[in-house]
Amino acid sequence: KAGVTQTPRYLIKTRGQQVTLSCSPISGHRSVSWYQQTPGQGLQFLFEYFSETQRNKGNFPGRFSGRQFSNSRSEMNVSTLELGDSALYLCASRPRDGATNEKLFFGSGTQLSVL
Amino acid sequence: AQKITQTQPGMFVQEKEAVTLDCTYDTSDPSYGLFWYKQPSSGEMIFLIYQGSYDQQNATEGRYSLNFQKARKSANLVISASQLGDSAMYFCAMREVPYSSASKIIFGSGTRLSIRP
Repeated sequence: KAGVTQTPRYLIKTRGQQVTLSCSPISGHRSVSWYQQTPGQGLQFLFEYFSETQRNKGNFPGRFSGRQFSNSRSEMNVSTLELGDSALYLCASRPRDGATNEKLFFGSGTQLSVL
Repeated sequence: AQKITQTQPGMFVQEKEAVTLDCTYDTSDPSYGLFWYKQPSSGEMIFLIYQGSYDQQNATEGRYSLNFQKARKSANLVISASQLGDSAMYFCAMREVPYSSASKIIFGSGTRLSIRP
């Protein structure tokens, strides 16, 4: 099985622009979660999507949004970029089949730099 | 609210020695799962080991074992016979079970482990 695929791997944007990141989960996984990783704040939960619905949301401003398509692929959008949005954005998928030991499978991330 | 604390920002260990990475957690739910992930410089998070709150025995996966002390709310990762390839960031994480719409996995701040040859 192919792993979690995130595109693009690197992005450079300027303040005020918007950006869209893409994530393709492992085949058969129905849940996609997004995390922001920065040296100062560590890994922070952004949101989780399951069956095209946002199930959970972290403490981020409304500039951060996402969606999930019927094939479970997910996109994350950040509008009006700020310097502080520079981070590694990690996507993770899981089957969401109720197994108690269910773990997240991560992609390699998208490194976003805002200039 | 759930919380994960990793108090060791960085550690240096001699190759072939055992190392313990600390993790304490806080939750009001009696059912939860604890995870450890490794993040090499490439950025991808790699799952290492899982411990359920009702598991009677400490989890083990090869050179990794989890020292689970439920009363103290600690879930320390033990790596035996460390190798140069173990140099990475290590994250402790927790998820409440069973599933609910609010169930999510949260992570600690991480410990950077460096193995000296």
